[in-house]
Amino acid sequence: GQNIDQPTEMTATEGAIVQINCTYQTSGFNGLFWYQQHAGEAPTFLSYNVLDGLEEKGRFSSFLSRSKGYSYLLLKELQMKDSASYLCAVMDSNYQLIWGAGTKLIIKP
Amino acid sequence: DAGITQSPRHKVTETGTPVTLRCHQTENHRYMYWYRQDPGHGLRLIHYSYGVKDTDKGEVSDGYSVSRSKTEDFLLTLESATSSQTSVYFCATQDRENTEAFFGQGTRLTVV
Repeated sequence: GQNIDQPTEMTATEGAIVQINCTYQTSGFNGLFWYQQHAGEAPTFLSYNVLDGLEEKGRFSSFLSRSKGYSYLLLKELQMKDSASYLCAVMDSNYQLIWGAGTKLIIKP
Repeated sequence: DAGITQSPRHKVTETGTPVTLRCHQTENHRYMYWYRQDPGHGLRLIHYSYGVKDTDKGEVSDGYSVSRSKTEDFLLTLESATSSQTSVYFCATQDRENTEAFFGQGTRLTVV
């Protein structure tokens, strides 16, 4: 079967750095997406990785290792507004998105 | 941001009644999706569409049907609502297959 695993909840301190991991087993691979979802709102796109390596976008970076079925989202200089759920999704061989359950990130002052 | 509007935003309905949720987009995206989101689960695909009158089932399609008669509108119908269909429903669109999906604001449906 297809499976995406990510931690259920993480806590970090304002101004610090946090890494959210995602491991996956899917039928084929056409890219990995990270989305941010604030409580009661729609998911919004953060990043896309299809090749191995690190993609940096401001305070957010995303890393992919296809051979290990592994990705992480790195958030630097955490702000209170970063408190949200972070969703990992893999696009399989049929170009369907398979979603993890999300990681709820709690930022403390 | 993609213009995706879901209606209604909130609905309470009784078990056994039919319910239709609407998704309207102004981006002319070819691909449209209906997901449900429940605590402890990732987004789960109900139905999707690759174009007008071209729809297919997702992993949790039982009890749901869809229609797409125009590029901009994708309707989700619960034929006879059950309490297990209480959920938050999201519509999403994509311009091309391997690009990011854009989401509507969601519809919170409660079946009592």
